[in-house]
Amino acid sequence: DAKTTQPPSMDCAEGRAANLPCNHSTISGNEYVYWYRQIHSQGPQYIIHGLKNNETNEMASLIITEDRKSSTLILPHATLRDTAVYYCIVRVQGGSEKLVFGKGTKLTVNP
Amino acid sequence: GAVVSQHPSRVICKSGTSVKIECRSLDFQATTMFWYRQFPKQSLMLMATSNEGSKATYEQGVEKDKFLINHASLTLSTLTVTSAHPEDSSFYICSAPRYSAYEQYFGPGTRLTVT
Repeated sequence: DAKTTQPPSMDCAEGRAANLPCNHSTISGNEYVYWYRQIHSQGPQYIIHGLKNNETNEMASLIITEDRKSSTLILPHATLRDTAVYYCIVRVQGGSEKLVFGKGTKLTVNP
Repeated sequence: GAVVSQHPSRVICKSGTSVKIECRSLDFQATTMFWYRQFPKQSLMLMATSNEGSKATYEQGVEKDKFLINHASLTLSTLTVTSAHPEDSSFYICSAPRYSAYEQYFGPGTRLTVT
């Protein structure tokens, strides 16, 4: 699976959009981009995933660049409860189901 | 609500004893479950893949005789830390894919402290 690079930390004001970048320049054509988050001392939570089209669900939006070498997770109106470590993971769909976690981005939402 | 549970949520044991952690999928069947370990301020590290009806697959560097995994049924996997030592103190988390491999559901984690 392709390697991802994320900033170690970010801050965001409550109520504002949080834009979390992820670089995956070695992604191959059959690899999907997944986002999970982990709130302190809890198990990770699935957020969203995509292949090449932008995706939106009730939690977030995922914007993938046309060349697929990077993506951005957008939390449109961040709340204090969104403070967590966000992990961007790239893997082949239908391959091994295991997820390999990098270091992620620690997002702190400030009041 | 939670779709994957773990028990216990916290456990303290003495060095040299064994500890069993259970992971259950609550309303779906999981032929595969995953076990992770997380040390403070670090990311999750995959330990092994638990396979219903067959042996677990361990990641490189994980001692299979120390971390015994049993996938007893389609809704239950157990991780037993044998002869635990203080360096085994960690946060253990399990996960299971649901519906498809698109997303995985994680348990709430088990905090193990070995004294």
